[in-house]
Amino acid sequence: EDQVTQSPEALRLQEGESSSLNCSYTVSGLRGLFWYRQDPGKGPEFLFTLYSAGEEKEKERLKATLTKKESFLHITAPKPEDSATYLCAVTNSGGYQKVTFGTGTKLQVIP
Amino acid sequence: DGGITQSPKYLFRKEGQNVTLSCEQNLNHDAMYWYRQDPGQGLRLIYYSQIVNDFQKGDIAEGYSVSREKKESFPLTVTSAQKNPTAFYLCASAGEGTDTQYFGPGTRLTVL
Repeated sequence: EDQVTQSPEALRLQEGESSSLNCSYTVSGLRGLFWYRQDPGKGPEFLFTLYSAGEEKEKERLKATLTKKESFLHITAPKPEDSATYLCAVTNSGGYQKVTFGTGTKLQVIP
Repeated sequence: DGGITQSPKYLFRKEGQNVTLSCEQNLNHDAMYWYRQDPGQGLRLIYYSQIVNDFQKGDIAEGYSVSREKKESFPLTVTSAQKNPTAFYLCASAGEGTDTQYFGPGTRLTVL
């Protein structure tokens, strides 16, 4: 069974203080790894898809990286508007597009 | 503007009543999904559909039903058989040949 573990559960940063969120996964043949941002009471917003170890993607202050066992979401010089819960998810190379989600990291950026 | 809409945003139900949550997309996506989100838990798959007139049970389908009569629409009915229906419900869709799912804004269901 596929598993996704995110750490830490919660992270509090000062504005401008860079850090990383971790997503460890166990999957029978990784097909894709996804990062989403979710604001309270809203649906997840797609950020990145990574397909193979060594792949990196960037968007504004966010950079996602992938190894064979984990992914990191690096946040450079965060701003208060980056405060949200960040979700990681994976799909395996099985028959259909089943996505396994982690429980998320709740990020708070303090001015 | 392409996207996924869910309605209503908030829904209150008395015990013993069935309710239907709406999900519509204009992204021309073939696959659609329903998830349930509870505090401290990851999203859990209720039902999914990869094509019109076909759908499959996910991990927690008991007490729920769906239909897929049109490509754009994938309504979810929460029946009285669902023991603990209070939750945040999310609909998603994905295009052909991709696993990337795009989510709607969600419906918060509260059973009184």
